[in-house]
Amino acid sequence: KAGVTQTPRYLIKTRGQQVTLSCSPISGHRSVSWYQQTPGQGLQFLFEYFSETQRNKGNFPGRFSGRQFSNSRSEMNVSTLELGDSALYLCASSDGGRAPADTQYFGPGTRLTVL
Amino acid sequence: LAKTTQPISMDSYEGQEVNITCSHNNIATNDYITWYQQFPSQGPRFIIQGYKTKVTNEVASLFIPADRKSSTLSLPRVSLSDTAVYYCLGERDTGRRALTFGSGTRLQVQP
Repeated sequence: KAGVTQTPRYLIKTRGQQVTLSCSPISGHRSVSWYQQTPGQGLQFLFEYFSETQRNKGNFPGRFSGRQFSNSRSEMNVSTLELGDSALYLCASSDGGRAPADTQYFGPGTRLTVL
Repeated sequence: LAKTTQPISMDSYEGQEVNITCSHNNIATNDYITWYQQFPSQGPRFIIQGYKTKVTNEVASLFIPADRKSSTLSLPRVSLSDTAVYYCLGERDTGRRALTFGSGTRLQVQP
């Protein structure tokens, strides 16, 4: 099975712009989660989508949003970019409910640099 | 989710066995212990998961004592390519998929 893919891998934007990142989960996985990783804050959960619905949300401002399509692919959008949004954005997919524990599989990430 | 505590860093040499212990004193009854490995600028990679006693796969072993307040990841005969950050997490079996990562343990393997 192909793994989680994320596009683009690298992105450079300037303050005030907006950006859209894409994630394709492992085939058959219905849950997609997004994480932000920075040197200072580590890995932090942004939100999770399951069957096109946001199921969980982390403590990020409303500038961070996402959506999931019927084929489980997901996009994350950040509007009005700030310098502090520079980070590695990671997408993880999982089956979404299989017992005993629903293991998440991560993509390679998108490195976003805000200038 | 259980709050986990791990050593910040560890050093080892090639060919040695490395044991990384994680404390999770307030682990819930239905939390599973999961370990991830992360290389620089890559996403975390699932290594192993367990609930109690011992679990072994082709990569590592996981030891969880009866009280489940700690767990130990064992990497047999490490190589230079095992240099990475290792995260221990408590992962619930129902409903929650927001993984809470701590600072992890930075393992440095030297020749």
